[in-house]
Amino acid sequence: KQEVTQIPAALSVPEGENLVLNCSFTDSAIYNLQWFRQDPGKGLTSLLLIQSSQREQTSGRLNASLDKSSGRSTLYIAASQPGDSATYLCAVSPSDTGFQKLVFGTGTRLLVSP
Amino acid sequence: DTEVTQTPKHLVMGMTNKKSLKCEQHMGHRAMYWYKQKAKKPPELMFVYSYEKLSINESVPSRFSPECPNSSLLNLHLHALQPEDSALYLCASSPRQDPNTEAFFGQGTRLTVV
Repeated sequence: KQEVTQIPAALSVPEGENLVLNCSFTDSAIYNLQWFRQDPGKGLTSLLLIQSSQREQTSGRLNASLDKSSGRSTLYIAASQPGDSATYLCAVSPSDTGFQKLVFGTGTRLLVSP
Repeated sequence: DTEVTQTPKHLVMGMTNKKSLKCEQHMGHRAMYWYKQKAKKPPELMFVYSYEKLSINESVPSRFSPECPNSSLLNLHLHALQPEDSALYLCASSPRQDPNTEAFFGQGTRLTVV
């Protein structure tokens, strides 16, 4: 059974710092990995999707990498801002089904202080 | 229009009530999903609809009854719920059955069962 873990569980940084969030998964048989952002009590906003054949994706200040063989992904946030404060979730789409059946990680709660 | 719209945003219901959650998207997506998210936990998949047909039921109790009347609309009918069913219910959609496509999530319905 696929299990997804995120480290750290919580992170507090001052504004302007570059930071790295980690995601690990136990089964490398995946179609893709997605990073999401969730504000308190709200839905999920998709940040980046990395196909299993890709190594990284970039969007603005965000860069996500994927090492499928080792079961790891990182989300790099450059020049963090207070507006980046949220919970960040990674999710994998296991390749044992024909559907996008996302398995989510435990999340990293990020607080960026001014 | 790149939105998944869920109504209502909040719902309080008694254990003997019958209520429905609604999810709508107008992006032409043919796969739609219900996820359940308990407090401080990651979302967990409940149901997947593909081309208006139920494709995956993750052993969800029958007090939750999904319905997909057309390609834009997904309902979740609730009956005789328990207090432990209180959670954030998230709807998502993706372009097609292909698992290598991005999922778009709604803002969720916060359900409280009293």
